[in-house]
Amino acid sequence: DAGVTQSPTHLIKTRGQQVTLRCSPKSGHDTVSWYQQALGQGPQFIFQYYEEEERQRGNFPDRFSGHQFPNYSSELNVNALLLGDSALYLCASSPGQGWGHTFGSGTRLTVV
Amino acid sequence: QKEVEQNSGPLSVPEGAIASLNCTYSDRGSQSFFWYRQYSGKSPELIMFIYSNGDKEDGRFTAQLNKASQYVSLLIRDSQPSDSATYLCAVKAGNKLTFGGGTRVLVKP
Repeated sequence: DAGVTQSPTHLIKTRGQQVTLRCSPKSGHDTVSWYQQALGQGPQFIFQYYEEEERQRGNFPDRFSGHQFPNYSSELNVNALLLGDSALYLCASSPGQGWGHTFGSGTRLTVV
Repeated sequence: QKEVEQNSGPLSVPEGAIASLNCTYSDRGSQSFFWYRQYSGKSPELIMFIYSNGDKEDGRFTAQLNKASQYVSLLIRDSQPSDSATYLCAVKAGNKLTFGGGTRVLVKP
C-alpha cells in the first residue's frame, strides 16, 4: 500500500521563478494538507484541500496556491519565489476528519 | 506567545533511561494532540496521539495530557540510540495541525 508520494524530491529555482510541487495521498485518504518546514523549525500549515476546494489556509501570502484533482492528488504552486521560500515542503493526507496526518517524504526547495 | 511551545533541547539521555518531553499550547479549543518523530533530513512520523485527559501508553512511549494546564508530554522509556531524533508536538484545532518547534533528543550509549 503506497503511502503519501511527493515529487520532485529536490528542486533548485531562481528568485522570481514559479514552482509546482505534486502530491499523491495515501490510498483511502481524501484530504491533503501542505506544510512548509524551514531548517530547525516545526512545519507551518499552508493550506488544506478537501473535495477539490481549499478548506482552510494558514498565514501564507497569495503567492502560494494549490489545487486538488478528482483523484485526490494535489499540487502546490508558488509564484515569484523569494530566497525565504527555501524549505522542505511536506504534503500530508488524512481520511477526511481523521485523527492524524500521514506525511510524504517532502520536496526540498532551494531558491538561489 | 507561540501557539505551541517546546524546549528546543538538545535533551541528552543515557541509553536505558527515561526521556521526558514537554509541550504547552495556547488554544483552549484544541481537540487532539500528536507526537511526531523526525529524523534528520526525513519527514515527520506519527508516534502517538491523545485526546482525553490522562495517560496513554503504547510500547515504550507514554503520552500525558492535561487540558486544564494546556500541557501535553511524552515519556520514552528504556531510551535507545535509535530514539535520537527531533520530537514534534502538534495540536489539532479544526482541520489543521499546529506544530511546535521540536525538541532534539540525543540518546548516548
